[in-house]
Amino acid sequence: GDSVTQMEGPVTLSEEAFLTINCTYTATGYPSLFWYVQYPGEGLQLLLKATKADDKGSNKGFEATYRKETTSFHLEKGSVQVSDSAVYFCALLRSNSGYALNFGKGTSLLVTP
Amino acid sequence: DAGVIQSPRHEVTEMGQEVTLRCKPISGHNSLFWYRQTMMRGLELLIYFNNNVPIDDSGMPEDRFSAKMPNASFSTLKIQPSEPRDSAVYFCASTLTGRYNSPLHFGNGTRLTVT
Repeated sequence: GDSVTQMEGPVTLSEEAFLTINCTYTATGYPSLFWYVQYPGEGLQLLLKATKADDKGSNKGFEATYRKETTSFHLEKGSVQVSDSAVYFCALLRSNSGYALNFGKGTSLLVTP
Repeated sequence: DAGVIQSPRHEVTEMGQEVTLRCKPISGHNSLFWYRQTMMRGLELLIYFNNNVPIDDSGMPEDRFSAKMPNASFSTLKIQPSEPRDSAVYFCASTLTGRYNSPLHFGNGTRLTVT
């Protein structure tokens, strides 16, 4: 079935470092792809999304490009802040199942001052 | 908008007891989802409703789990009897389907501990 695989965490970075969190997907057709973020004690929030190949989603300095040739949707940020510490989830919109999302297992990010 | 509201935030119960989790979706949303989050398995979709009708319950682990949506503003997830392996954070989420750009909105979850 449709699924996403993201890199294992935790990821620890110093403030202002460059961030990459890898995500690859397996799906029939061309699903929409998403990144969600979860802060401690809260539910997930949509960070960005892309709906077709070569689309770039961006928000709050984060970016991800939908790469059909490598079936990837890697999350990047040029300069992370302490406030970016959270768990990041890659997700895809499942085909043939309405609007249900399949999520990766999440990658924990800790940014230190 | 108050967002998706879940109750209780925390639930501690003994094995064998019945547990009921509650969710109020965002007003106007027509799809509602129940997810379970554990360290081992991540986020798993249990069931989702569209216009109060269950569409896909293939993720419900077993017959001990049941979910209802009696109206557009309320849903419950019930576990009877509960077992220690049911301990997890349960999330409810809602969205307005039919509008392609509508994101999935999550509640803050119910942390369930079964002893």
